[in-house]
Order: sequence, then C-alpha cells, then structure tokens
Amino acid sequence: AQSVTQLGSHVSVSEGALVLLRCNYSSSVPPYLFWYVQYPNQGLQLLLKYTSAATLVKGINGFEAEFKKSETSFHLTKPSAHMSDAAEYFCAVSDNSGYSTLTFGKGTMLLVSP
Amino acid sequence: ETGVTQSPTHLIKTRGQQVTLRCSSQSGHNTVSWYQQALGQGPQFIFQYYREEENGRGNFPPRFSGLQFPNYSSELNVNALELDDSALYLCASSLKGQVMGEQFFGPGTRLTVL
Repeated sequence: AQSVTQLGSHVSVSEGALVLLRCNYSSSVPPYLFWYVQYPNQGLQLLLKYTSAATLVKGINGFEAEFKKSETSFHLTKPSAHMSDAAEYFCAVSDNSGYSTLTFGKGTMLLVSP
Repeated sequence: ETGVTQSPTHLIKTRGQQVTLRCSSQSGHNTVSWYQQALGQGPQFIFQYYREEENGRGNFPPRFSGLQFPNYSSELNVNALELDDSALYLCASSLKGQVMGEQFFGPGTRLTVL
C-alpha cells in the first residue's frame, strides 16, 4: 500500500520568500511522485512529476522538487513566492502497476502575503 | 486539443436520492478515473474505466458505479445518497499504455447532499 504525508496543512510566506512544501511518501515499490496545484473552484493542474529519471525535477511556474530515496521525501520548492502562487498543493504517489491511479496527501494551503 | 470537461458544475440533492455525473475525456485519451475530494481533504480514488470496463476500484461501496462509453466519455452514478457523499467529484483522463502517463483533471462537479 502507498501513502503520502504532507506536513503542515497551511504554510504562510511573504512575497519574494522561499517556498518549501513538504511531502513524505511510503511505497513498497519504486514510486512515481507528483505535485498538483488546485486554485479555488478549479480542478487539479500538474506542476511536476518524478518518474525515476533525474532526482531534481523542474516544473511549471518556477517550482522544482527533489526526490530523496533515503529520506522518502519529495519536497516542493520555489525560490521566490509570487502572490499568484497562493493555492492548495497536493503531493501524490503512484505505483507502476499500470493502473496509474494516484494516492494523494491531504494538501497544503499556501498563503502569500504582500 | 479539448481538455477534460465535467457536467454539471454544481448539484444539490437530498439524502436517499440518486445522482449521475458526466465526464468527457481529453482528445486521444482512453482511460477515465474518478476521484472524490471531501472538504479539506485530498482526492480519493473511486474507480477507473478502460475499454468500457472497470479497471480498478478504491475503497468505495457498490452504490458508487460507473460507465464508460465507446467515445471514452464516462458517467459516475451514486445511489442512495448520504450526507457524507457531499464532495467535489473529479474526473481524470489518461492514455493507458503510456509509461506513467499524466492524468488530466477536469474542473469537477460540486455535489451537496442535504
């Protein structure tokens, strides 16, 4: 069975500050890992994904994440927050069973203040 | 390229009623997955359809059922609605066979059960 833990239901940063959203996973097989963003009243948009290639993954809107097997982590970072980054972020894990179903964390709401 | 669409956008039902939600997959995609996102939670996998057959199911009772049509669109049916069924229902389409193919999410249907 797979699971995802996102530390912190809410993270507050100032505009221009570093964004760090934490994600730890549990998987019995090499995982595929994803970060999605959800803006109010919208569906999920893929930010980036790790599929066993490079451990540092770059995504859209300046976000990146690093896969650390020893720490079972896949934290999301952005060097400088923008007001438009305010949204809810979900980390998700999938196995390589072929079903391609996703197991999501509970989400982290990112709040950006001016 | 047409994205994933869902209808209706919002729906209000009373306990015990039945509801049907609809999803049109992205052009070229042959697999549809449904997720339930309760307030303040991450999405939870309900089931997946491929070639008009259920291809995997999460921990949801049989009163949650689905269909996939030859054009790959899909329906989610929920019978005997309960208050806890109030949630955002998300549909995601993907292309089976593509290694860890990305899932593209629709905007969701907000179901309120009174």
